[in-house]
Amino acid sequence: KAGVTQTPRYLIKTRGQQVTLSCSPISGHRSVSWYQQTPGQGLQFLFEYFSETQRNKGNFPGRFSGRQFSNSRSEMNVSTLELGDSALYLCASSLQMNTEAFFGQGTRLTVV
Amino acid sequence: KNEVEQSPQNLTAQEGEFITINCSYSVGISALHWLQQHPGGGIVSLFMLSSGKKKHGRLIATINIQEKHSSLHITASHPRDSAVYICAVNSGNTPLVFGKGTRLSVIA
Repeated sequence: KAGVTQTPRYLIKTRGQQVTLSCSPISGHRSVSWYQQTPGQGLQFLFEYFSETQRNKGNFPGRFSGRQFSNSRSEMNVSTLELGDSALYLCASSLQMNTEAFFGQGTRLTVV
Repeated sequence: KNEVEQSPQNLTAQEGEFITINCSYSVGISALHWLQQHPGGGIVSLFMLSSGKKKHGRLIATINIQEKHSSLHITASHPRDSAVYICAVNSGNTPLVFGKGTRLSVIA
């Protein structure tokens, strides 16, 4: 059974650009959550989607957005990138909300 | 908002030692998760528990709901256990709140 797949694995962008990250959940999983991990702040929740609807949103600026498609795949977008957006972005999928989460390998974003 | 505290922050052990990592949280929860993160970033879910004790191989996780405390034990530790161990909790439909992690190094 394939795990959670995140693409791309690594990304380098310039300040002011925008970026789109992709997450394909485990087949049959309907809940997808996104997290940002930095050395200073640790893991922080970005948003959670279930059946194409955003169910929860973390305390991040509006430059961070996401969506979920009918096949449960999810994307997150960061516009007007800042140096502080450099981080590991992790996606996790689960069968339902608040059930065991399975994480992807993450996308490491570097903003220069 | 739930606050999650882990101890110790860093831990170095000799191969074969019994290891304990602790996690405390401030507000009642519906579930507590123990996660393992190796260098390179990928996170593996080790346990999800809401009461009692779970065991998987050399790993044991316990939780005391009244004391708002959980422990992760590793028996007969091995260098391949070297990783960051992260405790996370959620309450109802709220998203996961994470501890800062415990960096474990097991030396042969």
